[in-house]
Amino acid sequence: GIQVEQSPPDLILQEGANSTLRCNFSDSVNNLQWFHQNPWGQLINLFYIPSGTKQNGRLSATTVATERYSLLYISSSQTTDSGVYFCAVDRYNQGGKLIFGQGTELSVKP
Amino acid sequence: ETGVTQSPTHLIKTRGQQVTLRCSSQSGHNTVSWYQQALGQGPQFIFQYYREEENGRGNFPPRFSGLQFPNYSSELNVNALELDDSALYLCASSGSGTGVYEQYFGPGTRLTVT
Repeated sequence: GIQVEQSPPDLILQEGANSTLRCNFSDSVNNLQWFHQNPWGQLINLFYIPSGTKQNGRLSATTVATERYSLLYISSSQTTDSGVYFCAVDRYNQGGKLIFGQGTELSVKP
Repeated sequence: ETGVTQSPTHLIKTRGQQVTLRCSSQSGHNTVSWYQQALGQGPQFIFQYYREEENGRGNFPPRFSGLQFPNYSSELNVNALELDDSALYLCASSGSGTGVYEQYFGPGTRLTVT
């Protein structure tokens, strides 16, 4: 089956710093989503981005489908950005059956 | 617009017992997927329901079963609970028919098996 790898596994930042999280996937995908999991376990949608670039405030994401990777950029990080960031993909004809990476745990220090 | 809701929030069961978890999909969504998230891991796909039928299943044994109701809400049932079933169970809903399968997740049910 398709493999999803995220890097780095852990990241510690000072408030105000920028960061880039990476997601590599081993085969063509139909859908790619980025999520932020808060300390209570809720998965919050950040981006639905099977290809191209999107921006939402301090966050932006780019997916290069032909090269099988996606990047999540966080600028001017805040303590509330702390948590685990997941990338998840699904295959063609497998709509909605997401395969998750292991996540990047981000800790932003004041 | 109502988001995805799940109940209960927390649950403690004993090994060998049975449990039912519930999920209400986001309004306008007709597809529900269930995921299991063990501590420190990414969520794993259990199964998906579309129009009250199972529409794909992950690598989970038959003692994990589900239902979807005409209002698109869903249940996850687990029989003969094992200690390894302790996890966060997440429900996600999405629309279909447009080719866009963006998943929206509920807050989860944390199950502890002792």
